[in-house]
Amino acid sequence: SQTIHQWPATLVQPVGSPLSLECTVEGTSNPNLYWYRQAAGRGLQLLFYSVGIGQISSEVPQNLSASRPQDRQFILSSKKLLLSDSGFYLCAWSGSGTAGNTIYFGEGSWLTVV
Amino acid sequence: AQSVTQLDSQVPVFEEAPVELRCNYSSSVSVYLFWYVQYPNQGLQLLLKYLSGSTLVESINGFEAEFNKSQTSFHLRKPSVHISDTAEYFCAVSLPSNTGKLIFGQGTTLQVKP
Repeated sequence: SQTIHQWPATLVQPVGSPLSLECTVEGTSNPNLYWYRQAAGRGLQLLFYSVGIGQISSEVPQNLSASRPQDRQFILSSKKLLLSDSGFYLCAWSGSGTAGNTIYFGEGSWLTVV
Repeated sequence: AQSVTQLDSQVPVFEEAPVELRCNYSSSVSVYLFWYVQYPNQGLQLLLKYLSGSTLVESINGFEAEFNKSQTSFHLRKPSVHISDTAEYFCAVSLPSNTGKLIFGQGTTLQVKP
């Protein structure tokens, strides 16, 4: 069966510091990968998605970037965090092609920028 | 563009009572429909989905949702709720494409009281 892991689970970072959240998927190949953010009191917003290694699409302009160095690895980064980057970050995956209909989420990472 | 509206931000209900969480969507093309549940401090879990076929879909824990194309709705129902159903529920849509990107509603907090 497929599993998705993301870490760290909780992170407290000062303003201006860098960020790296990592996500890996097991049990499948060539998945579509996603990063969502859930800000306090708001719904979920798609930040990035990737259909293959090195292929990243950004949905909203922001202070963050994403990379996919390996087929089942997806990394969310920032060079300098802002207070507004605080939130709950969720990595997710779906199958590719016609199997890309259902998205499965990881357990999330809480980021607090202080 | 697609959008999702969850009409109630909070739904308080007593244990063993029935509940309906409302979801309406807007789209000029056919969409897939999903309900996700989020327990406190956890990621999102897929509850049920409508891709095609029967308009009534069921989950393993007693929830059901009915796709109504004419009313562009996908309301979630359960005939008798438990304390353990207390959670945030998200309705989402996606286009039948290979990217599987989800557009979420703002969420409904279901509060089950003893």
